[in-house]
Amino acid sequence: GAGVSQTPSNKVTEKGKYVELRCDPISGHTALYWYRQSLGQGPEFLIYFQGTGAADDSGLPNDRFFAVRPEGSVSTLKIQRTERGDSAVYLCASSLRSYNEQFFGPGTRLTVL
Amino acid sequence: GIQVEQSPPDLILQEGANSTLRCNFSDSVNNLQWFHQNPWGQLINLFYIPSGTKQNGRLSATTVATERYSLLYISSSQTTDSGVYFCAVRADSNYQLIWGAGTKLIIKP
Repeated sequence: GAGVSQTPSNKVTEKGKYVELRCDPISGHTALYWYRQSLGQGPEFLIYFQGTGAADDSGLPNDRFFAVRPEGSVSTLKIQRTERGDSAVYLCASSLRSYNEQFFGPGTRLTVL
Repeated sequence: GIQVEQSPPDLILQEGANSTLRCNFSDSVNNLQWFHQNPWGQLINLFYIPSGTKQNGRLSATTVATERYSLLYISSSQTTDSGVYFCAVRADSNYQLIWGAGTKLIIKP
C-alpha cells in the first residue's frame, strides 16, 4: 500500500514569508507526527496528533509554528515569518495507534534565503 | 529526559565485512526502532524491537531492555548498505521518538 507522502519535496522561500508543508499519512493511521532534521543530526520532535487534535505540541520551537489536522487524515505544518534558522528537512510520520511503529515520509527540504 | 547514544559515530568497511552498531538509552522504553537513512534522506524502517531478537535477511537486531541497550548487526555488507543508521526510542510517558545522533556507515567496493 501507499506510504506516507509529503509535499512539496523542496521549498525555497525568502526570510519573512509564510509556508505550508503537507503530510498525507498511511490510510487508517490515527497517529501523526511532525519532526525536523538539521544536517548531520537526528530528527527532533515537533508535534503529535491523535485523530484531529494536537495531543502534544511541546516540540514546536515558538509561536510561528502551527499545525492542523482538521479531518484526522492530512496534516499541514504552517510556518509564519520564516527565518534562516528554520531551514531543515521537515519529516512526517504516522502510526496505526499512538504506541505502534512509526513510518516516515520522504520529507520536505525547506530552505529560507 | 531520556538520552540515546549511538556508537560508533562513523564506520568505514569493505564490501563483505560484518558490523555491529550499538544504541544505549538512559531510561526504560516501550518502543525502540532502528532506521536506515539512505543518501536521498529517506528513513527506512529496519526493526521495531522494544525487546528480544529479530532477523531480516542480512540484518538482525537485539534489544536487552533491562540493560538499556540495543545492537544492530549487518552481515556481508553491500555498498547499498551505506548511509546513516539511527536508533530511536519512546519512553513510557511520551509519544514521540527520541533519536540518537546516528552511525554513518560507508561500505567501499
